[in-house]
Amino acid sequence: DIQMTQSPSSLSASLGDRVTITCRADRPISTYLHWYQQKSGKAPTLLIYAASNLQTGVPSRFSGSGSGTDFSLTIDSLQPEDFATYYCLQSHTPPGTFGQGTQVDIK
Amino acid sequence: EVQLVQSGAEVKKPGEPLKISCRASGYEFSNLWIGWVRQMPGKGLEWMGMVYPDDSDTRYSPSFEGQVTISADKSITTAYLQWRGLKASDTAIYYCARRDQFVGAIDHWGRGTLVIVSS
Repeated sequence: DIQMTQSPSSLSASLGDRVTITCRADRPISTYLHWYQQKSGKAPTLLIYAASNLQTGVPSRFSGSGSGTDFSLTIDSLQPEDFATYYCLQSHTPPGTFGQGTQVDIK
Repeated sequence: EVQLVQSGAEVKKPGEPLKISCRASGYEFSNLWIGWVRQMPGKGLEWMGMVYPDDSDTRYSPSFEGQVTISADKSITTAYLQWRGLKASDTAIYYCARRDQFVGAIDHWGRGTLVIVSS
């Protein structure tokens, strides 16, 4: 079972800030890494798939990078609707493993 | 439009059996993996396992192997998650999740089924 380590577990940021969240796999997973946003009381939504591909309809201020074991999600110019919890998911080894989540809240 | 419609909230006692469902529409149900994600109160997401409806092949995360059963009925495009005997620690929201065929991302989610297990 592949373990995913996501950091930080939480962060406080201001509107307009640039925010970066990282995920590390304990063995190489190529680019089988995806990022999700979850708002309170709602199902998660897909932001980035295959490490760096923006899901249709997701604002371009979201971007992803990485391959192998180290990955990152960046939000440029944080907007009010971006305050949420973010998760990475590896799908290299089925069914998959989520990171522990990063809660982004307002400073 | 892809839709995953989950069954309603459940309140059960420890030891009782339970089967919750997820009815899919808007795509070729038989040919894509579909599964379940657990979210315990105030906690993160956990991929429990998934089923390939065409041949009922299943894959479970190690933590859930033997604890639950995931199945699908392709004739009615519905996936299931069942327990033989619930525990209080099974209290959680359970999301139905469709896995895409190319890179294994979860690209569609149900709204979630709340299961409360309490004596």
